[in-house]
Amino acid sequence: QSALTQPASLSGSPGQSITISCTGTSSDIGGHNYVSWYQQHPGKAPKLMIYDVSNRPSGVSTRFSGSKSGNTASLTISGLQAEDESDYYCSSYRNINTVVFGGGTKLTVL
Amino acid sequence: EVQLLESGGGLVQPGGSLRLSCAASGFTFSSYAMSWVRQAPGKGLEWVSTIIANGDTTHYADSVEGRFTISRDNSKNTLYLQMNSLRVEDTATYYCAKGRDSSRISSGWEYWGRGTLVAVSS
Repeated sequence: QSALTQPASLSGSPGQSITISCTGTSSDIGGHNYVSWYQQHPGKAPKLMIYDVSNRPSGVSTRFSGSKSGNTASLTISGLQAEDESDYYCSSYRNINTVVFGGGTKLTVL
Repeated sequence: EVQLLESGGGLVQPGGSLRLSCAASGFTFSSYAMSWVRQAPGKGLEWVSTIIANGDTTHYADSVEGRFTISRDNSKNTLYLQMNSLRVEDTATYYCAKGRDSSRISSGWEYWGRGTLVAVSS
């Protein structure tokens, strides 16, 4: 099961907006609206930021938004803050009855 | 407050077995699908297995199919992962995670435990 494709690293300055991409296939991202995004700080458990492509769990900042086009999902963080520096992972349902993750993106706030 | 507490990790030789447990509290355990997700040291996340709320249906990653068995005891609010024929590549922190509904395996995992480390080495 090959992973979804994410950029290994991204950086941005405070206040900027950045977008993390997550590319899959028609068997996962393109075929289902079951994409989630997770934030993981070093040594901590992952935190759900987005589910079902574009929904935010209660308590997650509105600066985080998700979208999808074709086989690519995206996580956008607006008004970048120092606390956003973290690893981010996408995941998607994949035919049949499996879940696949992206390799992760290390976000640096300059 | 939702709490998930994993236990049972440790050092095991290749070919050996371990049983992980995840004690859940703060929610109606029997109403939600539960999953195991692992993370090898310095690596990314990998989905391992999911069991639906009533325990009737289970799903596994290809990498563990036939070697790992997920189960749950809704009377004890506890999730399990029986791991047999362990390989060096199974070395990872294993997280227990709560699904957002009773049956979807990819509804998003909103609550996670702190994880338990499994090290497979001779």
